[in-house]
Amino acid sequence: EIVLTQSPGTLSLSPGERATLSCRASQSVSSTYLAWYQQKPGLAPRLLIYGASSRATGIPDRFSGRGSGTDFTLTISRLEPEDFAVYYCQQYGSSPPRSTFGQGTKLEIK
Amino acid sequence: QVQLQESGPGLVKPSQTLSLTCTVSGDSISSGGYHWSWIRQHPGKGLEWIGHIYYSGSTYYNPSLKSRLNISIDTSQNQFSLKLSSVTAADTAVYYCARLSMIRAFDYWGQGSLVTVSS
Repeated sequence: EIVLTQSPGTLSLSPGERATLSCRASQSVSSTYLAWYQQKPGLAPRLLIYGASSRATGIPDRFSGRGSGTDFTLTISRLEPEDFAVYYCQQYGSSPPRSTFGQGTKLEIK
Repeated sequence: QVQLQESGPGLVKPSQTLSLTCTVSGDSISSGGYHWSWIRQHPGKGLEWIGHIYYSGSTYYNPSLKSRLNISIDTSQNQFSLKLSSVTAADTAVYYCARLSMIRAFDYWGQGSLVTVSS
């Protein structure tokens, strides 16, 4: 079973700063099937990035993703107040078909 | 616009069966390419994939829950359902239904349903 480890657990930054979140897989995953989500308190997660680097519909271009193999990164270029939330990475494995989530990174206002 | 809505009891007694239904609107659950999924989130914790079902009825379960889990689909009602048997307090969580898209990301989610296991 593939394990996704996100770091840091908590990231404290100020609006306007750049945020870099990491997702590391215990074994190589297909970048086609690596996604990132944002979750705010009391709400369902929202898809931000799929295929490691493609933004979902309506996602601002300050959000970007990159990576391959076992190391993936979500970057928020200039933090807006509404970006402070918890972020999860997720991978889909096709054989057998199943999904796994990372444990999350909390992005908090410094 | 695709919408998903969970429904079911918010309180279940230990050892009983947790049952939830997800009603899909704005898309046919029979349209190919999508998997209809259940995901849960324990209070204050991260996301746990439970399992998913294809319109044909093929199911894929989290191995840690497989022995207690049944996911079914009713294409005539555009719904899919979750049954988790022999529940304990450890099954207390917010349960989400979601659509696993063709690019294998969860692109649409329900609002979530809090299920508490308690006597």
